Amino acid sequence: QLQLQESGPGLVKPSETLSLTCTVSGGSVSNSNYYWGWIRQPPGKGLEWIGTNHYSGSTYYNPSLKSRVTISVDTSKNQFSLKLASVTPADTAVYYCATTPRLPRVGSSGYDLPFDYWGQGTLVTVSS
Amino acid sequence: EIVMTQSPATLSVSPGETATLSCGASQSVSRNLAWYQQKPGQAPRLLIYAASTRATGIPAKFSGSGSGTEFTLTISSLQSEDFAVYYCQQYNDWPPTWTFGQGTRVEIK
Repeated sequence: QLQLQESGPGLVKPSETLSLTCTVSGGSVSNSNYYWGWIRQPPGKGLEWIGTNHYSGSTYYNPSLKSRVTISVDTSKNQFSLKLASVTPADTAVYYCATTPRLPRVGSSGYDLPFDYWGQGTLVTVSS
Repeated sequence: EIVMTQSPATLSVSPGETATLSCGASQSVSRNLAWYQQKPGQAPRLLIYAASTRATGIPAKFSGSGSGTEFTLTISSLQSEDFAVYYCQQYNDWPPTWTFGQGTRVEIK
């Protein structure tokens, strides 16, 4: 069973870059049938998809964050990472990493892409 | 950009009763719809995908329905462990993108 664990600084100063890493166990980030993504949740608020990566190098970002986000995969360490530049207090949130299996649809073409395994989440506070 | 709208924001239900949660999409998402349960201090848990397919290990008391722009999550015989926040989420398979609704809190009446 896949397990994901986020790690990184819990406090980041405004205008700096937030950097988080997700370590994967029980599976490989090189598995072509999976996407690897980041979701965040401001305190007391809902969920926001940040972006997703495939080991092939393809990346997909939330348009509202695209100019500031970089997600990459390190197959040698079985990890994937998030960088969010020029942070402000509005970026304070619990950050989750999650995996998406490419589930072939029954009876039609294409794939279902739910987030099925999640890390426990890590709170990142943006403050001076 | 597709906007997902959940209603109601809060649903008060007595234990043993059935909860019906709604999720609407600003344009058709076919059946590309998932539901998640989130308890305080925990990561979300996948309940349903493809609008009506239960994820592995999810009991039959959770059922999803709908297609296009209107979706429903039904939770029968509510127990204490079912009181939580529920999110719907649409996904595109190409290019891959995901959008969450704002959530429905199911609380004890």
